[in-house]
Amino acid sequence: LQLQESGPGLVKPSETLSLICSVSGGSISTTNSYWGWIRQPPGKGLEWIGNIYYTGSTDYNPSLKGRVTISGDTSKNQFSLKLTSVTAADTAIYYCARPRDYCFDDWGQGTLVTVSS
Amino acid sequence: QSALTQPPSVSGSPGQSVTISCTGTSSDVGGYDRVSWYQQPPGTAPKLLIYYVSNRPSGVPDRFSGSKSGNTASLTISGLQAEDEADYYCISYTRSSTFVYVFGTGTKVTVL
Repeated sequence: LQLQESGPGLVKPSETLSLICSVSGGSISTTNSYWGWIRQPPGKGLEWIGNIYYTGSTDYNPSLKGRVTISGDTSKNQFSLKLTSVTAADTAIYYCARPRDYCFDDWGQGTLVTVSS
Repeated sequence: QSALTQPPSVSGSPGQSVTISCTGTSSDVGGYDRVSWYQQPPGTAPKLLIYYVSNRPSGVPDRFSGSKSGNTASLTISGLQAEDEADYYCISYTRSSTFVYVFGTGTKVTVL
């Protein structure tokens, strides 16, 4: 399984951060599969953002709820992250990952998103 | 939901053993055998080392072992090697309110 993040590396404050995770070697439609996003501010620890189930249902970190949306596109075998009203505190490396058996066993390489005017 | 508490750093000489603790609550670490550990060398994505408290995925050396007692999980690295120098994170499943995963604060392992 391979996951690859893509999207703009620079987003202006108050705008929307949008990232896509392309999945190969597996399908986001696989029964009982989950797919997730995790971020890591430069020099800091990891933070769970949220997950999407193969049915399309989602779970989000309450600290981001209201600003975050994760959705899937089965025709492209991709899932995406949207984070609205970003500030400098949202500057981070964003990883997509596959949660399985209550752990994250596959990760993308990560993409740095900087929030700055 | 607070992060799981890990020591900021641990160190050891080659060949020695080091143990990293991961302390949570009865709502996460203590409530489920669903603790996992990850290794993150500088500039790379995290890699799964341990799942379900003490299980190793194929390819992970048996120098890495996990355990749990009460609300604290532990990762032990035996026979420390230079390539083990990295950041290590624990993650626990939780169903406290709508939270699903809570992450540890991270520990830097230095090989002296």
